[in-house]
Amino acid sequence: QVQLVESGGGLVKPGGSLRLSCAASGFMFSDYYMSWIRQAPGKGPEWVSYITTNSAYTNYADSVKGRFTISRDNAKNSLYLQMNSLRVEDTAVYYCARRVGAANADYWGQGTLVTVSS
Amino acid sequence: DIQMTQSPSSLSASVGDRVTITCRATQGIDIYLNWYQQKPGKAPKLLIYAASTLQSGVPSRFSGSGSGTEFTLTISGLQPEDFATYYCQQSDTAPYNFGRGTKLEIK
Repeated sequence: QVQLVESGGGLVKPGGSLRLSCAASGFMFSDYYMSWIRQAPGKGPEWVSYITTNSAYTNYADSVKGRFTISRDNAKNSLYLQMNSLRVEDTAVYYCARRVGAANADYWGQGTLVTVSS
Repeated sequence: DIQMTQSPSSLSASVGDRVTITCRATQGIDIYLNWYQQKPGKAPKLLIYAASTLQSGVPSRFSGSGSGTEFTLTISGLQPEDFATYYCQQSDTAPYNFGRGTKLEIK
């Protein structure tokens, strides 16, 4: 069955960096676009970024553009999110999600919590 | 950016009721509209995509309709497991914004 497992979250000070990972299994990872979606405490989800199958194209929400970088390693069935210059408002649970069709997220991981606080 | 507005923000209903949630987009998105269900402490779950197509495994009491700027999610015959928060999301143009959610509570 499809499984997505995020890791790498934690507590970081404003201005710091974190790298999130998502390990995928149960499907042909290299055939799917992948996304990161986050959810701040008590808020609705917010789409963050997506990457195409061969990494040729990426797209970002304006709120993270220039600070976050999405990448993937198809040989390792893994998705990554490098987060730099973190801000308090980046505090959220970060989910990786498989993208199908027109940007539908049909499978989600369990999420990893990122807390940005001094 | 395309903004999504859901109404109501909360809703109380009883088991067996029929409920409808509305989602409006600030510009036309054809049928590129998804609905998700989220329970506390869990990731959102895709219910409906392309406005009206039921995701595999989702009970037929869930249905979606609409196109352009106005969409609805209907649950016919509420079950206890349906009490959750529901989000719409447009998948027409990045950024793929979500609505603020509708919390469905037991009356």
